[in-house]
Amino acid sequence: GAVVSQHPSRVICKSGTSVKIECRSLDFQATTMFWYRQFPKQSLMLMATSNEGSKATYEQGVEKDKFLINHASLTLSTLTVTSAHPEDSSFYICSARLAARGAQYFGPGTRLLVL
Amino acid sequence: SQQGEEDPQALSIQEGENATMNCSYKTSINNLQWYRQNSGRGLVHLILIRSNEREKHSGRLRVTLDTSKKSSSLLITASRAADTASYFCATVEANAGGTSYGKLTFGQGTILTVHP
Repeated sequence: GAVVSQHPSRVICKSGTSVKIECRSLDFQATTMFWYRQFPKQSLMLMATSNEGSKATYEQGVEKDKFLINHASLTLSTLTVTSAHPEDSSFYICSARLAARGAQYFGPGTRLLVL
Repeated sequence: SQQGEEDPQALSIQEGENATMNCSYKTSINNLQWYRQNSGRGLVHLILIRSNEREKHSGRLRVTLDTSKKSSSLLITASRAADTASYFCATVEANAGGTSYGKLTFGQGTILTVHP
């Protein structure tokens, strides 16, 4: 149990386009989901906390207008990278918190390459 | 900001040996968790230890927590080549409420290589 999926697994896009990444909790409901980005050989950095039915909370230095987060249901959160640029190329990982266990379960990640 | 620091940054051992990784943190915590990440993949939750616990076991994994020193260690016994991965500790801050509830702060990670 506690499986989280992400789609797509990898995406290549042209500079200036927008990319949407989906995060789904497959077998549990998650009122809270988290979005991270990870550069090569580095740790995960939290971008924002997504709460179902309310606005996301962004970490300091993360532009909310550039990284749009929507958590419309208890099993789905989306991250849209708007007007993507090459410096947005990274590995984006979501997680969903299973409150009963106190642990977060991570998706397999989405590798974004902006040309 | 990343508050966890792990050492060593990289660890290379032979199959069958034990691997020990350490993690230090700065704030009071509710719990500390260890995750594993294979190259280019998502994270797998390994074990969670609460602030009132000192030691926890799961299979070949042993985790200790010393809240007085704000440190934790992960021991993998009888390592296997398949244990090769990056290992991260992550903390949940104590008394974090509201939008910070459940938020994980990750350490920099230890890259473990187990040679067959």
